[in-house]
Parts: sequence; C-alpha cells; structure tokens
Amino acid sequence: DVKVTQSSRYLVKRTGEKVFLECVQDMDHENMFWYRQDPGLGLRLIYFSYDVKMKEKGDIPEGYSVSREKKERFSLILESASTNQTSMYLCASSRDGNTEAFFGQGTRLTVV
Amino acid sequence: DQQVKQNSPSLSVQEGRISILNCDYTNSMFDYFLWYKKYPAEGPTFLISISSIKDKNEDGRFTVFLNKSAKHLSLHIVPSQPGDSAVYFCAASAATSGTYKYIFGTGTRLKVLA
Repeated sequence: DVKVTQSSRYLVKRTGEKVFLECVQDMDHENMFWYRQDPGLGLRLIYFSYDVKMKEKGDIPEGYSVSREKKERFSLILESASTNQTSMYLCASSRDGNTEAFFGQGTRLTVV
Repeated sequence: DQQVKQNSPSLSVQEGRISILNCDYTNSMFDYFLWYKKYPAEGPTFLISISSIKDKNEDGRFTVFLNKSAKHLSLHIVPSQPGDSAVYFCAASAATSGTYKYIFGTGTRLKVLA
C-alpha cells in the first residue's frame, strides 16, 4: 500500500515561530508537492520538487521555503509563522505528470 | 488567474441518481486531467484520470469526459450513493511540457441525499 506520511495531524504555533512540516513517501517518487487548502480557494500549490535538492515555486510561495535533502522526504518551512498561514497543509508525491499524485493525510496548522 | 475552474461550489443529488460535476480549464498545454475526492480532515484520494488523447474514461460508477475544444471536463457518478458525499476536486497537469505540477480547481461539495 502506497504511503505519504505527514509528521503531524494537528499543530498549534505562535506568531513568529519557525515551523517545520515534514513529509515522507515510500514509493520512490521523483516529484513531491506542498499544497494548502482553504475554504473557497481549493488546493493551491506552494512549492514542488522534481528531484533531490531541486525545488520550484508554486503559485503562493511567499512566506514559505522547502528542503529536499533525500528523495523520500520533503519539508515545508514557515520562516516566521503568521496568522494568515493558518490552513490545512497537504503533501503529495507522484512518479511523473502522467500519473496520479498520492496525498498525505494533511496537517491542520493553527497560528495564534 | 485561475487556470482550473469549478464554477459550482455545491451540488445535491438524490441517492441512485446521476451526479455530474463540471470543470473548465484555460491552459491549452494541459494534457492530463484528474479527479480527486476529499473528506473533511483527510487528504484527497485519487478517483479517475484522463489523458488528452482520449475523450472518455470509465471506472466502475465513475466516468470522466473530456471536451478539448471546449476546454471542459466532467465527472459522472452513476448511481450516486450517500458515501459519495464529499468535496470533489479536478486537477490538470502539462506533463509533456516537462512540468509535473498539478493545478487544482476550487472544488465542488457533493451531497447525496438518502
């Protein structure tokens, strides 16, 4: 059974904190993605990576950075958390653009 | 600029009837399309996909239709069941351009009434 695992289901952080969201996949996929889901806005792409140490900005990268040191792990970093980053964060991986992406269970982040 | 649009935020259908969810896109480079289903507090799960070389793909109760000239795709669920109640997202990628990112729509909340 294929697996994308996000390190936390729920997180509460304070404004200004540095926040790390971790994602691990066990499918040897080249591509990994971070999305956020907000009501009425759907899933918006923050960053994606098509290879180790490679990353590309998505549609809403401001306030975020990513790290991919190993093929199976893709981390999302909020350098200084703000309340407008309260959201559901979803990690995904795929083999290529002609196959489906598999999602993790999501991390509900609340910034207070 | 919203490249993938789902103009109906919600849809209610009676159990046993057909559910039709619609999606429009603007980028003519998109060549692979997917539908996902999402329950609250869970990640999206893949339902069905279609390549731009086809106009229909079927998997059990789910059929996706693609109209490239209209830049429109739809998901048909027949017969609809209460367990189908969820948010449905369509997504698109431009795989042949070498960019493997998926662009999602805003979602349609389907409610199947028993």
